[in-house]
Amino acid sequence: AQSVTQLGSHVSVSEGALVLLRCNYSSSVPPYLFWYVQYPNQGLQLLLKYTTGATLVKGINGFEAEFKKSETSFHLTKPSAHMSDAAEYFCAVSDRAKAAGNKLTFGGGTRVLVKP
Amino acid sequence: NAGVTQTPKFQVLKTGQSMTLQCAQDMNHEYMSWYRQDPGMGLRLIHYSVGAGITDQGEVPNGYNVSRSTTEDFPLRLLSAAPSQTSVYFCASSRFPENTGELFFGEGSRLTVL
Repeated sequence: AQSVTQLGSHVSVSEGALVLLRCNYSSSVPPYLFWYVQYPNQGLQLLLKYTTGATLVKGINGFEAEFKKSETSFHLTKPSAHMSDAAEYFCAVSDRAKAAGNKLTFGGGTRVLVKP
Repeated sequence: NAGVTQTPKFQVLKTGQSMTLQCAQDMNHEYMSWYRQDPGMGLRLIHYSVGAGITDQGEVPNGYNVSRSTTEDFPLRLLSAAPSQTSVYFCASSRFPENTGELFFGEGSRLTVL
């Protein structure tokens, strides 16, 4: 069974500072990898995803993530935090087999607080 | 564009009561699913469907029923609510069988069971 671990349930950063959110997965075969963001009182929306090809993936709002197979990691970064980045971020994985559909396994989430 | 619509947004139940959470999507997505969100546990899959008439269990199906009579609708039923079912519930949809992982989420339904 797949599992996803996000280190740190809460992260506090200053506006303009680097945002780094860590995600490690456990899977016998490299899965598809995703980062979702949830703003207060809203549903989740896709930030970025890795399926194949280039291991550095760019997403919306200046975020990017790098797939490192040897480390089974998919950490999310943004060079300069903005107040609007305050939200909860979820790392997720899914099985590459089409029969699995779009069943995602989510990590526990990391809530980001941005200080002025 | 409506996307995925969930009703109600808030609900309070007493233990043992039943209710249905409604979910409708207007994107002609074959795949629909229900997740529950609990603090520190992320989202956990309850049930999913890959098309009308086809449903299957996810990670935490106990205490919940689903049906899929149309492509657009995927209601989640709680037959006898328990305090452990206090949670925020999200419906999500996507294309299928394209396994892109891009789920489109509703805004959630917050359920409290007393």
